[in-house]
This record gives sequence, structure tokens and C-alpha cells, in this order.
Amino acid sequence: DTEVTQTPKHLVMGMTNKKSLKCEQHMGHRAMYWYKQKAKKPPELMFVYSYEKLSINESVPSRFSPECPNSSLLNLHLHALQPEDSALYLCASSQVVGYEQYFGPGTRLTVT
Amino acid sequence: AQKITQTQPGMFVQEKEAVTLDCTYDTSDQSYGLFWYKQPSSGEMIFLIYQGSYDEQNATEGRYSLNFQKARKSANLVISASQLGDSAMYFCAMRYYNFNKFYFGSGTKLNVKP
Repeated sequence: DTEVTQTPKHLVMGMTNKKSLKCEQHMGHRAMYWYKQKAKKPPELMFVYSYEKLSINESVPSRFSPECPNSSLLNLHLHALQPEDSALYLCASSQVVGYEQYFGPGTRLTVT
Repeated sequence: AQKITQTQPGMFVQEKEAVTLDCTYDTSDQSYGLFWYKQPSSGEMIFLIYQGSYDEQNATEGRYSLNFQKARKSANLVISASQLGDSAMYFCAMRYYNFNKFYFGSGTKLNVKP
């Protein structure tokens, strides 16, 4: 089973809202990732969790707050976003950091 | 500085023919990894193939093979016998710096014509 699930599939939120994106994997992977992808651009790495600890934060604004409650779950809490934050948010996992990553279907976020 | 370069924004290939997607990279590390991913219009990134910098043989996975030329710092993806379902965006990616850094190239949009 190489499935990574993400919810919701689509999200529309206002700039004053608070929402969360959820990612789940049951492959026993110990590394999980958040990426942001704008249209016609490659994914940009935002955060990396390794063994449930934040390993990398690629200078992401504090309005994005990641959380890894356990080895299977990864959340991305959103608060006071800007319209330019509208994008496809992809979650991925890998056996450990550096191995091939398996991606979820993504959440298409629109900030109004 | 650009770490991964894909110089072909878009390509066309006839169904059942082979196609090569180019990827060059820049690193002074001896240990690194190279990956290719496919992204259909649905948005999900699909892992295709991996090549480690110390692997002596080119990686192959079914119809996908990676033409790894270390001295030239290139890692081209070869798709044999193209199918209509191969139409998608293809990204080359590199892992470097003690496994923690992972960057994608700008991608190549492949269109397979019937």
C-alpha cells in the first residue's frame, strides 16, 4: 500500500479564517513533507518532519504552522493567509529522509 | 543558484515511440540522489525512478530508464514505447546536502500524440 491521503481536496478560506490541512500515511514511513505548488511551477519544499520532529523549515511564514501528532499524521494549520498563498498543497512521505517520496493527491487552496 | 535544470518546457512524441527528457544538475557533493516524478493533470506526483550517485548501472523501471552520465552531471529520463497515458508533466529532482535538501527542476510537459 503506497497511499498517502490528504483532506480536504479543495478548500476556500477567507484571510481571517483558521483552517487545517490533514495528511495521513500507513506505510510506516518516518519522514513526512509539505510542499506548495503554484500553477505551472515545480513543488517548493516547505517543511520536513523526521521521526516526528521538525527537521527543515524552509523559511516559511508563521501563518503556516505544521504539526506531526504521530508517525502517520501530518497537519498544516493555516491562519491569516494571503491571496498569494492560493496553491496546491502536497503532502509526501518517505521511508526516511532522502528516500523516494510518495505523494498525496493534494489540497487545492483558494484564499479570498 | 539553480540546482536542477530541465531545458525542455514542452515536448511532443508519437505514440509507441521512445522519448528522452533532459535533466542536468549542479552539485559538488559526492553523495546525492536523482529522482524523476510524473504529474498528470489531476495533480498527484507519481514517483517513477531513482538513481544514486554511486550506482554504477543506470536505473530501469519497466518502460522508464535513467541515462545517468555523472561526468556530464546529467540524468535524462528515457520512456520507451510511449502511451497516451504518459502525457503529463515530468519533474527531475535531486536530494543533496546530507539527505535533507530536496529540489525539483522546472519540469517538462510531455504530450503523446495518437
